[in-house]
Amino acid sequence: QMQLQESGPGLVKPSETLSLTCTVSGYSISSGYYWGWIRQPPGKGLEWIGSMFRSGSTYYNPSLKSRVIISLDTSKNQFSLKLNSVTAADTAVYYCATQDTVRGVITTSFDYWGQGTLVIVSS
Amino acid sequence: QSVLTQPPSASGTPGQRVTISCSGSSSNIGSTYVYWYQQLPGAAPKLLIAKNNQRPSGVPDRFSGSKSGTSASLAISGLRSEDEADYYCAAWDDNLSGVFGGGTKLTVL
Repeated sequence: QMQLQESGPGLVKPSETLSLTCTVSGYSISSGYYWGWIRQPPGKGLEWIGSMFRSGSTYYNPSLKSRVIISLDTSKNQFSLKLNSVTAADTAVYYCATQDTVRGVITTSFDYWGQGTLVIVSS
Repeated sequence: QSVLTQPPSASGTPGQRVTISCSGSSSNIGSTYVYWYQQLPGAAPKLLIAKNNQRPSGVPDRFSGSKSGTSASLAISGLRSEDEADYYCAAWDDNLSGVFGGGTKLTVL
């Protein structure tokens, strides 16, 4: 059974870079799936951040694209999120998740999720 | 302001049938599959309905999904107290981005 686990600092200062890692067990990230990130500000809804495939194909939310980088580390079976120039508006629970495809076309089928990690942006 | 529009709240009594709507456009719901997620308090979201109307393994058949044009719906029949949760619709948009609805908080009275 695949499991995902987020890790990283729970507190980031404004203007700095938020960095999170998702460790995957029970499945190789070199196999199928896009590997993605989704966030949820406290008391608010879900926002898709972006995802990456093993081939390097990457999609990002247009509203975040200028500040986001997602990368894969197949040797560690991990993938990462970097979000730069953070503000208080980036305070949220960050989830890593698998993002599936149908006949090779990306979908919003997030089959497996991590438990989420709260990141607070504050000085 | 979410790309997909859901009512912020819904409610029903045990045993009732409730529906939650999700409205989009030709660039998302109108051209691709809709997925639904259930988020219980304090938990990560869980895939509830895939490809408009398919239930993943383990999801009770009380949950069903449908899609027509640029709108989709989630129906829950035989409402139970444990169904009290937030529900989100999601679809892929032609601008190469995943989009979610704002979420609907379901209260079981």
